[in-house]
Amino acid sequence: EAGVAQSPRYKIIEKRQSVAFWCNPISGHATLYWYQQILGQGPKLLIQFQNNGVVDDSQLPKDRFSAERLKGVDSTLKIQPAKLEDSAVYLCASSFVAGTSTDTQYFGPGTRLTVL
Amino acid sequence: LAKTTQPISMDSYEGQEVNITCSHNNIATNDYITWYQQFPSQGPRFIIQGYKTKVTNEVASLFIPADRKSSTLSLPRVSLSDTAVYYCLVGYGQNFVFGPGTRLSVLP
Repeated sequence: EAGVAQSPRYKIIEKRQSVAFWCNPISGHATLYWYQQILGQGPKLLIQFQNNGVVDDSQLPKDRFSAERLKGVDSTLKIQPAKLEDSAVYLCASSFVAGTSTDTQYFGPGTRLTVL
Repeated sequence: LAKTTQPISMDSYEGQEVNITCSHNNIATNDYITWYQQFPSQGPRFIIQGYKTKVTNEVASLFIPADRKSSTLSLPRVSLSDTAVYYCLVGYGQNFVFGPGTRLSVLP
């Protein structure tokens, strides 16, 4: 079974530029998550989709971050404009069912973003 | 306010049993505790999950007391390859939160 795919693996940009990350979840997984992981910290949930609808985006900085999951499959997370504090690893995960604490989440390798 | 705490780091030697505790005072009644392992440059990987008492699988055990305000991940006979960061994930009703992580270093 193929795992969660993410691209790119690394990205370096200057502040105020824009950047986009792509995620392809495990086939058949209804729920998709985007996390931000700052160095030395646990992952922080940014947004959770169930199929193509948003379940939770309460921690997404909506003035600069946006995400979409068209057709309920792959997803894109965008930052525009980037700030220095956005430097982090952006993790995508998926789970088979409803996105509760009981669901096993399968994570991709992440995209490491450096904002200069 | 939901708060999950873990020790920042632990050291152990090969062959020893390691116990890592996570504190979660405000866990929701119906929510589970899940533990993940993360190696450098990789995403977290599921280890074990439980609701109460004790759960055991082929790699770890999870102990959850009756009040469910904490949980303990137990790794039997660790090896060098168990060097990683270990996170608890706790449900707080509509939300779930990763702990800050415990960096385990296994020494030869």
